[in-house]
Parts: sequence; C-alpha cells; structure tokens
Amino acid sequence: TQLLEQSPQFLSIQEGENLTVYCNSSSVFSSLQWYRQEPGEGPVLLVTVVTGGEVKKLKRLTFQFGDARKDSSLHITAAQPGDTGLYLCAGAPQGAQKLVFGQGTRLTINP
Amino acid sequence: DVKVTQSSRYLVKRTGEKVFLECVQDMDHENMFWYRQDPGLGLRLIYFSYDVKMKEKGDIPEGYSVSREKKERFSLILESASTNQTSMYLCASSPEGARIGEQYFGPGTRLTVT
Repeated sequence: TQLLEQSPQFLSIQEGENLTVYCNSSSVFSSLQWYRQEPGEGPVLLVTVVTGGEVKKLKRLTFQFGDARKDSSLHITAAQPGDTGLYLCAGAPQGAQKLVFGQGTRLTINP
Repeated sequence: DVKVTQSSRYLVKRTGEKVFLECVQDMDHENMFWYRQDPGLGLRLIYFSYDVKMKEKGDIPEGYSVSREKKERFSLILESASTNQTSMYLCASSPEGARIGEQYFGPGTRLTVT
C-alpha cells in the first residue's frame, strides 16, 4: 500500500494542452515536495509546499497543497515537449523521519 | 552546484556476487540516503545516514548493508546479489537542518542481476 497515491500514472497529451497530476494520502504531511526525473538522471527538486492551502507557481507549473495537508496537485498550463518526464511527489508524514514517494506520473507531451 | 556522483551508471552482476555501489557528494552534506526505484512503486528508502559511521534502516533494508567511513562517501552493499535486486539505485544527500524532503540525487546506477 502506497502512503502517497499519485494519479494518473501515465499521461500522454498534445503540446498546448493543460493537465493536472494528483498526489493523495490519508496521512498529514508537514510538507510535500514535487520532483521531476528525466531518463537516465536522478530526480530534481521542483518545489516544496508547507502551509495548508499554499499555492506556488514555477512558470507554467502551479503547485497546490491541500488545506488539510494530506494532498497536493501539480497543474501544467500549455504543456511543452520539454515538460516530458516522470513527476514524483514526496513527503515525510508528520512525526516521521523518513521520506516516502508516490509511484510517479509519467508525462509525455507530443509535438 | 551540489554534485552527487555514483560510481557506475550500469552494472551487470551474477546471482550470489557481492556488489558495492558507491556514492560521493561534494557539498559537505551530513545526510545521505540510498533508494531503489522500480516501475509503479516510486522510490523506496533502503538505508540512510545522518553522520559518519552512523546508519539507520529504511523501509526495505533486507539483503543490503551500508558503510559510511567518510562524510562524503556512502556505500551500499549487496551481500549476495539476487535477481529481485535488479533495479535502479539512487543515492541522495542533504545538509543538516534541511527539510527531510529536500534532497539532491545522483544520476542512479541501473543494476541487473542475472
């Protein structure tokens, strides 16, 4: 059983479309992170969300932390082929000292 | 820039062999981690270390051990490799006091055990 459930696990869309990736849990997290991983490389940290309800923007990417700090979403506007990759959410449940990851969302943006 | 390097990008070993995976970071980070990554499962924590000569078990330590003799180097050891240890292995580091989720990853070692 995954502590962090990501959906969808695979997404293939056309350039210019919008998309949202979800990361859900029944546990409360003190913070959640989003990483992007490209083929043959390790994950690279994109953002950390800390406060319930927080919204952070990174160019065309918008990250939101749920009010109860149990879930997060990543929205991409006008997707580009360069957005292609594996997107991972991660977090440490409150009181825990270990990081857990979602299964990942493999995103493909077709030109 | 923080750099985390791993000794091999690809490795093929036989069942029963002892395997060493090396990780080195150049930013004087206190914390180091070993994960394995499998399709549909995300990353799972094997072992971590918050200081030299210190180690803690992660979620899936069985069949693995680690060594941290120097601050910059964290080694993962497969005592007797088995086919179910075929995976991508990722090393990560972070500075003392960093949020636990904010880690710097190496490029990974894809290990195949035949």
